[in-house]
Amino acid sequence: AQKITQTQPGMFVQEKEAVTLDCTYDTSDQSYGLFWYKQPSSGEMIFLIYQGSYDEQNATEGRYSLNFQKARKSANLVISASQLGDSAMYFCAMRGGQGAQKLVFGQGTRLTINP
Amino acid sequence: IAGITQAPTSQILAAGRRMTLRCTQDMRHNAMYWYRQDLGLGLRLIHYSNTAGTTGKGEVPDGYSVSRANTDDFPLTLASAVPSQTSVYFCASSPGWTINEQFFGPGTRLTVL
Repeated sequence: AQKITQTQPGMFVQEKEAVTLDCTYDTSDQSYGLFWYKQPSSGEMIFLIYQGSYDEQNATEGRYSLNFQKARKSANLVISASQLGDSAMYFCAMRGGQGAQKLVFGQGTRLTINP
Repeated sequence: IAGITQAPTSQILAAGRRMTLRCTQDMRHNAMYWYRQDLGLGLRLIHYSNTAGTTGKGEVPDGYSVSRANTDDFPLTLASAVPSQTSVYFCASSPGWTINEQFFGPGTRLTVL
């Protein structure tokens, strides 16, 4: 079974600073995928970034990058130059194995960017 | 392009009533999913569909049913609602049945009294 752990219930960061949101996972699958989603106060789930277990390079999407450390089973999200609009809940999720039919989500981290 | 639409946006329902949450996507994605989001529990998969005509059970399927008559629509039915089904329900879709990206609808907030 897959499990996602996000140990930071809340984080407070000054605007323009970089922020790292922690995510560790547990799986026995050799092939899996890791995702990060943003959920602003409006409630929608916004896909941010994806990392496959066989991808050798860390995924990047604009200001978002995924610090993938396979041996440590961690998939931390790094947001560079944070903005006020980054304030939201952030969820780490994974799918396990080829054809896996679900994403398993962590409990989320609430990020607050202070001006 | 609308992406994924869900209806209703919110609903208050008496216990014991039947309710269908609607989900429509216009991206021609093969796979669709229903999740529920409860405070402190993240999102949990209720049911999924790899392609039109097929469905499968997720992590918390009891009390819910789904159908997938065509590619675009994936309704979720609560046959006899109970208060523990009070939650925010998200419909999602992905292009293929191996998930490399998954897109979510805006959600339906359901309250069962």
